[in-house]
Amino acid sequence: LAKTTQPISMDSYEGQEVNITCSHNNIATNDYITWYQQFPSQGPRFIIQGYKTKVTNEVASLFIPADRKSSTLSLPRVSLSDTAVYYCLVGDIFNRDDKIIFGKGTRLHILP
Amino acid sequence: ETGVTQTPRHLVMGMTNKKSLKCEQHLGHNAMYWYKQSAKKPLELMFVYSLEERVENNSVPSRFSPECPNSSHLFLHLHTLQPEDSALYLCASSQEVGNEQFFGPGTRLTVL
Repeated sequence: LAKTTQPISMDSYEGQEVNITCSHNNIATNDYITWYQQFPSQGPRFIIQGYKTKVTNEVASLFIPADRKSSTLSLPRVSLSDTAVYYCLVGDIFNRDDKIIFGKGTRLHILP
Repeated sequence: ETGVTQTPRHLVMGMTNKKSLKCEQHLGHNAMYWYKQSAKKPLELMFVYSLEERVENNSVPSRFSPECPNSSHLFLHLHTLQPEDSALYLCASSQEVGNEQFFGPGTRLTVL
């Protein structure tokens, strides 16, 4: 089970691009990287998932270097509503015996 | 509409009460999960079911008893709870264990 390390909190301003980096030094060959977003008193919501290089969807981009020991979630032009906790998870999504655990996440606070 | 519903949304109970939390998913998924989230703490995985079979039990006290009668429904039966059990209880489902999880809105439980 690959352990992840993220900054506890970050502040940014509306309209800025925000990059949240997650470290996972012992990531395994079959592990994928998944990011979730959670607003207060709500369940987490899937944002993006990737294995290597770059993945982009309508919400975010995920950058994964060649060694896969870290990943960066990029949120373009954030707004106040992007204030939330962001979780980085690493695990083998095709192995039902692999526990994919939520860590403490990064508390992102967007300022006007 | 997340496709995962939970009832009740709020529950207040005494330590001697017996109550049940209900989760229903309308996504045709095979895996369902119970999580506990206490104030300012990470999500704690409690139970995982795959095709009505419990595949994960993370050392949860016996006062929490899960039940999965079919792949669309998941219950968490509560009895003789403690005040420290007060938390947000989240249900999630995924196509298979390890895949992207879809979370319900949660049940806010207060134990007096």
